[in-house]
Amino acid sequence: GDSVTQTEGQVALSEEDFLTIHCNYSASGYPALFWYVQYPGEGPQFLFRASRDKEKGSSRGFEATYDKGTTSFHLRKASVQESDSAVYYCALGDGNSGTYQRFGTGTKLQVVP
Amino acid sequence: EAGVTQSPRYAVLQEGQAVSFWCDPISGHDTLYWYQQPRDQGPQLLVYFRDEAVIDNSQLPSDRFSAVRPKGTNSTLKIQSAKQGDTATYLCASRGGVSGNTLYFGEGSRLIVV
Repeated sequence: GDSVTQTEGQVALSEEDFLTIHCNYSASGYPALFWYVQYPGEGPQFLFRASRDKEKGSSRGFEATYDKGTTSFHLRKASVQESDSAVYYCALGDGNSGTYQRFGTGTKLQVVP
Repeated sequence: EAGVTQSPRYAVLQEGQAVSFWCDPISGHDTLYWYQQPRDQGPQLLVYFRDEAVIDNSQLPSDRFSAVRPKGTNSTLKIQSAKQGDTATYLCASRGGVSGNTLYFGEGSRLIVV
């Protein structure tokens, strides 16, 4: 079945470092791809999505580009801040017309000042 | 605009007890989801509704879990005879209208079964 894989369980960075969190998917066609962020004690919050090859999504300085060739949607940010510390989830639109989302295992980002 | 509201925020049960979680989605959102999120894992879909109809409950452990959305607005997820393996946060999400495929999550209901 369809799936999404995040290879990093945890990432530790210093402020102003460059961030990359890897996300690869397995699905037929062109599923919608999403990034969500979750802070402690809260539900996941939508960051952005993309649904076509080479489409770039972005929000709050984070961005990712849909790559059908490598089946990837890697999250990047040029300069992280301590306030970016959270868990980041890649998700895949699944079901008929992408009516529900299948989440990856998440990547915990810790940024130290 | 009010977000997705869930209650209770926390529940601690002994094995064998029952619990119900309640969700009030964003007004006008026709689709409502229940996800289970074990500690340090991603959300996993349990069931979802469009209006009052169940669209997919294939991941719901039907022998002890049940979910309803009788008027197509609020929803209740019930766990009967809870087990330690049910320890998790139960997240409700909704989508609809201009939100497209974006899911809006509540803060979750944290369940601990001892």
